[in-house]
Amino acid sequence: DAKTTQPPSMDCAEGRAANLPCNHSTISGNEYVYWYRQIHSQGPQYIIHGLKNNETNEMASLIITEDRKSSTLILPHATLRDTAVYYCIVRGGTASKLTFGTGTRLQVTL
Amino acid sequence: GAVVSQHPSWVICKSGTSVKIECRSLDFQATTMFWYRQFPKQSLMLMATSNEGSKATYEQGVEKDKFLINHASLTLSTLTVTSAHPEDSSFYICSAVKYNEQFFGPGTRLTVL
Repeated sequence: DAKTTQPPSMDCAEGRAANLPCNHSTISGNEYVYWYRQIHSQGPQYIIHGLKNNETNEMASLIITEDRKSSTLILPHATLRDTAVYYCIVRGGTASKLTFGTGTRLQVTL
Repeated sequence: GAVVSQHPSWVICKSGTSVKIECRSLDFQATTMFWYRQFPKQSLMLMATSNEGSKATYEQGVEKDKFLINHASLTLSTLTVTSAHPEDSSFYICSAVKYNEQFFGPGTRLTVL
């Protein structure tokens, strides 16, 4: 699976949009971009995934660039409960195995 | 839904004893489950892949005789840390696969004294 690069930490004010970037320049055509988050001392929580089209669900939006070499996870109105480590993971479509990188620690502040 | 539970949520044991951690898929059957380990301030590291009815597949560097995995049913996988030592203290997380997606348990914090 392709490697991903994320900033180690970000801050966001409560109520504002949190935009978390991820680089995956070696992604191949059949690999998906997945986002998970892990709140302190809990198991990871699935957020969203996509192949090449932008995706939106009740939690977030995922914007994937046309060349698919990078993506951005958008939390439209961050709350304090969104403080967590966010992991961007690239994986093949038929393989369920996930490789976690170091992620981005998002701190939402008042 | 796709709910995964772990038991216990935390455990403290003496050095040299064995500890069993259970991972259950509550509302679905999972032929594949994964076990991860996470040390403080680090990311999740995959330890092994657990397949129902067959031997687990361990990642490089993980001792299969120390971390015994049993996946005897479609809803239960167990991880036994044998002869635990303080360096085995960690957060152990399992996941279960449904429709090719992983759903994670809440984790088990193991402290070995």
